[in-house]
Amino acid sequence: QLVQSGAEVKKPGASVILSCKASGYTFIKYGIAWVRQAPGQGPQWMGLIYPDSGRTNYAERLQGRVTMTTDTSTGTVYMELRSLRSDDTAVYYCAREGHGYSFFDSWGQGALVSVSS
Amino acid sequence: DIVMTQSPESLTVSLGERATINCKSSQGVLYDSDNKNYLAWYQQKPGQPPKLLIYWASTRESGVPDRFSGSGSGTDFTLTISSLQAEDVAVYYCQQYYSSPITFGQGTRLEIK
Repeated sequence: QLVQSGAEVKKPGASVILSCKASGYTFIKYGIAWVRQAPGQGPQWMGLIYPDSGRTNYAERLQGRVTMTTDTSTGTVYMELRSLRSDDTAVYYCAREGHGYSFFDSWGQGALVSVSS
Repeated sequence: DIVMTQSPESLTVSLGERATINCKSSQGVLYDSDNKNYLAWYQQKPGQPPKLLIYWASTRESGVPDRFSGSGSGTDFTLTISSLQAEDVAVYYCQQYYSSPITFGQGTRLEIK
């Protein structure tokens, strides 16, 4: 099970940090991705992190604005997105890799991030 | 980036009838080393996250009804619902995990006639 932090409202230029707490499985065994979905659009992969090593792989279009980290003591993954713009408004999901590959067999409930002046 | 193109954008099918959704990738997602197609299908209902239905193009996720099936190889894939039920109304997405960045199709909206 993945449980995410709540909705956020931010102004352009600000940063947001979202959390995703995992339970019910061995945390370090599976990668966690962040996927966002703007209103009426398909999902968009942002990147992923492997909790056992901290290794990350970010979508190139977000390089420099996104950072993913983990706290293995609490089984929590964090995603920080900086320099927010209006087109960052979306529902943000964390999702667990299935069987060690990047299809996603478990998802958080989602967190709406609204960016508006 | 691999572009995933789904067709149709929307689909209206009668209860009990077959629904077919297509997905085409801009390059092949079949890995020669393991002979697997790195293609997954998801179902998304309003206000919910996507739900994994199929991975490796044709392997049904545990708990998914057997009326859902996936087929295809290389660049062309199909999700078939053999006998549409009311609870299948949703948006369906394909996703490739062959290469980074992982990409999704734009979705196919399935409705009841």
